[in-house]
Amino acid sequence: DGGITQSPKYLFRKEGQNVTLSCEQNLNHDAMYWYRQDPGQGLRLIYYSQIVNDFQKGDIAEGYSVSREKKESFPLTVTSAQKNPTAFYLCASSITGTGAQGELFFGEGSRLTVL
Amino acid sequence: KNEVEQSPQNLTAQEGEFITINCSYSVGISALHWLQQHPGGGIVSLFMLSSGKKKHGRLIATINIQEKHSSLHITASHPRDSAVYICAVVSGGSNYKLTFGKGTLLTVNP
Repeated sequence: DGGITQSPKYLFRKEGQNVTLSCEQNLNHDAMYWYRQDPGQGLRLIYYSQIVNDFQKGDIAEGYSVSREKKESFPLTVTSAQKNPTAFYLCASSITGTGAQGELFFGEGSRLTVL
Repeated sequence: KNEVEQSPQNLTAQEGEFITINCSYSVGISALHWLQQHPGGGIVSLFMLSSGKKKHGRLIATINIQEKHSSLHITASHPRDSAVYICAVVSGGSNYKLTFGKGTLLTVNP
């Protein structure tokens, strides 16, 4: 079945460590996104990619990095520069953008906890 | 003030009741999304609207562009409808950026 796979589901990190969250899709979508969800807040966009080999900063990109070397993969690295990394991270994809034809498909999320 | 406001924040209903969740936004938009987030965290897209009304099973979504308002209705609610319902809008000239509401937690009791 087509969909988005995120891994790991749960991740613990010590302060000062970089961690990478995986996001893979087999929907043949051009656009991919990373969102962060904190309790009591709406989802916030970290990075997005409109097409392979291209990505753009979202609203809260500081302390994060991404790559888009393959159409199906959009990994997110949470670096030690991210001051408050404990959160729930969601990856999503759409055929193109999120406008009138852009239904979003989400992964199951990755919960990162900094110890 | 958040650009997207949802009401109510929490809603408890009895099985079979008709549910309405509201979403108001303050900017011009090109599309509005309704999403459902289950307790485990995964999110499913329910509707994408740019005008009018859409129906899927027991779910109905409406949007009034002039009044900057959308509603999500659930008819004959069931405990399996218990979830967080999230409204998100596409605005600002970018088809790649959504502004999300904080969500409405719906609990349907048997």
